[in-house]
Amino acid sequence: DTEVTQTPKHLVMGMTNKKSLKCEQHMGHRAMYWYKQKAKKPPELMFVYSYEKLSINESVPSRFSPECPNSSLLNLHLHALQPEDSALYLCASSQDLPGQGKETQYFGPGTRLLVL
Amino acid sequence: GENVEQHPSTLSVQEGDSAVIKCTYSDSASNYFPWYKQELGKRPQLIIDIRSNVGEKKDQRIAVTLNKTAKHFSLHITETQPEDSAVYFCAASITSNTGKLIFGQGTTLQVKP
Repeated sequence: DTEVTQTPKHLVMGMTNKKSLKCEQHMGHRAMYWYKQKAKKPPELMFVYSYEKLSINESVPSRFSPECPNSSLLNLHLHALQPEDSALYLCASSQDLPGQGKETQYFGPGTRLLVL
Repeated sequence: GENVEQHPSTLSVQEGDSAVIKCTYSDSASNYFPWYKQELGKRPQLIIDIRSNVGEKKDQRIAVTLNKTAKHFSLHITETQPEDSAVYFCAASITSNTGKLIFGQGTTLQVKP
């Protein structure tokens, strides 16, 4: 399996809802990433996990809560989101963290989130 | 911190022509430069990347050049085809640091048949 998969593809939620986004890869990659992408803009890094430990949090509001249950899975738990959080949420993985020559990031198809 | 500027923001070419997209970066410590292509509604896909110990890299119709002195790198697409139409993002990172990718703002390429 050479792909990063994400579920769901689309999600509509109210501001009081709790939902989760899921990302999975079976390439043996040890680094996983969450990005947020607004229309016509580049991806913005949110979180980085390395060897199942959170290594970077780009000052993301606490209504976004990442979780890495194992080396193949990455979740993003959503709670009390705002309409401005509507965006495409992309997961990515790389073989390792940069510095090892294995930093190429491969993206999943994304979850398109709409917050009403 | 690192900043990446990308030009042009939009580019329209005739099928068969060449297209060039340029990026400049601010941090001379940056040493890894990937290019991603994103079609409408799809994921960013890596099309080519270059490391700072190399000045040029080519893969069929796509090439990337890097000028470390001037701190800029460029994507060259030859013999463009309508399926090359997409948004292209350049990025830079410092692999000895966190390796965070800093993206340019993107270039929308339209290839007219």
